[in-house]
Amino acid sequence: NAGVTQTPKFRILKIGQSMTLQCTQDMNHNYMYWYRQDPGMGLKLIYYSVGAGITDKGEVPNGYNVSRSTTEDFPLRLELAAPSQTSVYFCASSSRSGGAGYNEQFFGPGTRLTVL
Amino acid sequence: QQQVKQSPQSLIVQKGGISIINCAYENTAFDYFPWYQQFPGKGPALLIAIRPDVSEKKEGRFTISFNKSAKQFSLHIMDSQPGDSATYFCAASVNDYKLSFGAGTTVTVRA
Repeated sequence: NAGVTQTPKFRILKIGQSMTLQCTQDMNHNYMYWYRQDPGMGLKLIYYSVGAGITDKGEVPNGYNVSRSTTEDFPLRLELAAPSQTSVYFCASSSRSGGAGYNEQFFGPGTRLTVL
Repeated sequence: QQQVKQSPQSLIVQKGGISIINCAYENTAFDYFPWYQQFPGKGPALLIAIRPDVSEKKEGRFTISFNKSAKQFSLHIMDSQPGDSATYFCAASVNDYKLSFGAGTTVTVRA
């Protein structure tokens, strides 16, 4: 099992450019998430999905879009990149364990994005 | 605003010492309180978690203490080791999935 994989690992964008951050999980998890991590701010939820075809906004969705056409993939689209989007982006997935279990989120290795 | 407030921002402890990280929350609907550990250049990984129906959970050298009335919970790392040097995040959620994270605590264990 590769777990959660993210590409690319690093990217530099110019202001106004667009890009897609890729995320794939091979654990057959229903739930997938995108977070951004900024120094001293913890992780902020951008978007999440509870299953293929279902997405919803998190805490900081402005400037981003997502889609979920398959269980495995959850790409994050940045349109018109801005310096404020310079951050480390993490994708995560989880499966409802039910009962008294915990819904552990498994994180990918992250994508470090710089917008200049 | 931060739904979960975490302190301190950083701490340094000697090998064998105890590290204590504190978190506070306001939303009484939170029913799941995990701690995540993150090493430099890696994604966070679940370390230990607790539900509000218990006051303490211990896994090896890591213990969560939970005070429901005070809306506070803390992580204690006993017998701290250099390999424990990492950033620790507390988090909270309703129904297990949409986590609200604290700002993180960088722990440095000196040999």
